[in-house]
Amino acid sequence: AQSVTQPDIHITVSEGASLELRCNYSYGATPYLFWYVQSPGQGLQLLLKYFSGDTLVQGIKGFEAEFKRSQSSFNLRKPSVHWSDAAEYFCAVWGTYKYIFGTGTRLKVLA
Amino acid sequence: GEEVAQTPKHLVRGEGQKAKLYCAPIKGHSYVFWYQQVLKNEFKFLISFQNENVFDETGMPKERFSAKCLPNSPCSLEIQATKLEDSAVYFCASSQYDRGYEQYFGPGTRLTVT
Repeated sequence: AQSVTQPDIHITVSEGASLELRCNYSYGATPYLFWYVQSPGQGLQLLLKYFSGDTLVQGIKGFEAEFKRSQSSFNLRKPSVHWSDAAEYFCAVWGTYKYIFGTGTRLKVLA
Repeated sequence: GEEVAQTPKHLVRGEGQKAKLYCAPIKGHSYVFWYQQVLKNEFKFLISFQNENVFDETGMPKERFSAKCLPNSPCSLEIQATKLEDSAVYFCASSQYDRGYEQYFGPGTRLTVT
């Protein structure tokens, strides 16, 4: 079955610290993978996507993600977190003509 | 337009009342998707359209939910006889014909059933 797992429900980091949000997927074929961010009361904003090619993809706001087929993972990283990064982050895989989302990771940033 | 528009932003209905939500996809986008987000986490796919045709409705609770995308009109999602469990944020997304996997999301409609 197609699924996405985000193991961490909440993550707290200090401003300026590095960040890694985990995402594991289950999908039979080569996946199309996405990371979205949702700020409070807002819709979803696409951070980055992976379709093929280079397994390290760069996104907006200084985020990057690495696709690791052997681990079925697509972890999101940022070298230095800013207070404005506090939000909910969703990993998604393009399933059978629809997105399959993970349950999200809420990021809290300490000043 | 260049953004997916959803109206209203907030909707409050008493249990048993009807709720109707609207979505205007990005101009030129042929696919429209509806998702339900409950409790700020889980996104559930409801239905998708290719132009005015239903493409996939496997996520729709058909007994009370219906949706349409008619030419030259916003798409709509209607819930007859709302229940408390329908309280959620409903997101609409659109995509181009040949890149259905690149979806652009609207800001959502928060439905509160009391």
